[in-house]
Amino acid sequence: GAGVSQTPSNKVTEKGKYVELRCDPISGHTALYWYRQSLGQGPEFLIYFQGTGAADDSGLPNDRFFAVRPEGSVSTLKIQRTERGDSAVYLCASSLRAGGMYNEQFFGPGTRLTVL
Amino acid sequence: GQQVMQIPQYQHVQEGEDFTTYCNSSTTLSNIQWYKQRPGGHPVFLIQLVKSGEVKKQKRLTFQFGEAKKNSSLHITATQTTDVGTYFCAGPPGTYKYIFGTGTRLKVLA
Repeated sequence: GAGVSQTPSNKVTEKGKYVELRCDPISGHTALYWYRQSLGQGPEFLIYFQGTGAADDSGLPNDRFFAVRPEGSVSTLKIQRTERGDSAVYLCASSLRAGGMYNEQFFGPGTRLTVL
Repeated sequence: GQQVMQIPQYQHVQEGEDFTTYCNSSTTLSNIQWYKQRPGGHPVFLIQLVKSGEVKKQKRLTFQFGEAKKNSSLHITATQTTDVGTYFCAGPPGTYKYIFGTGTRLKVLA
């Protein structure tokens, strides 16, 4: 079946602009995670959704970052007034559910964001 | 905040040699997951350990979860060139917020 998809695969923007990154999780997966990965580093947790609600958004760096998952499936990560330090690969992952035996995370290919 | 460190940061081995990466958390973890990321790719799930002292094997890979649930290890026997990549551990201290380790990059020389 289809895996996790993310669009766009690459996004180049100018400092100060607004960007939206989209994640399509595996159908039926209730848990969805957003991570940010800089070169040579491990994925850094940003936010976790269980269904439609953000169960934990403690990893969002500041109020320029916001994420939604209005129908419990597709999620959008929104970044306002982008800064050069926001440049990274943004990874989305989904799992059947959170906790217990079925929380294996399936990652998408990522969106490489470059802020000039 | 919680930190998850892995050592070594890099490891170069000759094909056929064994390899071990160690994962240490500053706090107790409810479970630990291991992922492999090939160069240019995304993390791929390998395994999850839940119980204190748990040991699991997958062919040439052996995973351990420490008794105190603060550390873990991944051992690969007789490495192959297909084992190349970066290995990450990840665990939640209590909720579902997974903290990834710093990773160990493995290079296998043929």
